[in-house]
Amino acid sequence: NAGVMQNPRHLVRRRGQEARLRCSPMKGHSHVYWYRQLPEEGLKFMVYLQKENIIDESGMPKERFSAEFPKEGPSILRIQQVVRGDSAAYFCASSPIQGEGFFGPGTRLTVL
Amino acid sequence: QQQVKQSPQSLIVQKGGIPIINCAYENTAFDYFPWYQQFPGKGPALLIAIRPDVSEKKEGRFTISFNKSAKQFSLHIMDSQPGDSATYFCAARDGQGAQKLVFGQGTRLTINP
Repeated sequence: NAGVMQNPRHLVRRRGQEARLRCSPMKGHSHVYWYRQLPEEGLKFMVYLQKENIIDESGMPKERFSAEFPKEGPSILRIQQVVRGDSAAYFCASSPIQGEGFFGPGTRLTVL
Repeated sequence: QQQVKQSPQSLIVQKGGIPIINCAYENTAFDYFPWYQQFPGKGPALLIAIRPDVSEKKEGRFTISFNKSAKQFSLHIMDSQPGDSATYFCAARDGQGAQKLVFGQGTRLTINP
């Protein structure tokens, strides 16, 4: 009974590169939430997706960030042209129903 | 305003003591209040949660007290152990729309042996 899986666990990018973060939800879970945690802060909501649909992206920066959750495969959070301020831990949570969630171990993004 | 305020930022307690972490919220649409424990380099793990129609919930050494009229809730850890040293986050779920979680800023708890 594997939990929520995220990869990579650590990602280093130079300014201007693209970062792709993957989240494989628990089996049978069709709801995925992405959160960002800056150092010494709480988690902040970014986006909520169901299979093939973005339901709420009110926490996503308007530019450079996008998310998808295709019919097959993991959910992807994509950050284009990364900047130093994007350095953070990115967590996804999956759920069988809306509103509940089991968190993955996170991807720690460092932008040089 | 979708905010949850958590205090203290850090807390040091001797083994066996009872650390108390407090949270306050504004939004009456919040309908579920979980607490998460996070160890360095790990994701948050659900510890205990409460709904607003209940004033207290206890699971093992962890107790949530909930005061709906004051819009406050707190976590108590009985007989604290060094292994409880971690960062604790309170959260509140927005019962409307996406039902996303709004997190407090976190409390770094240290239990000294």
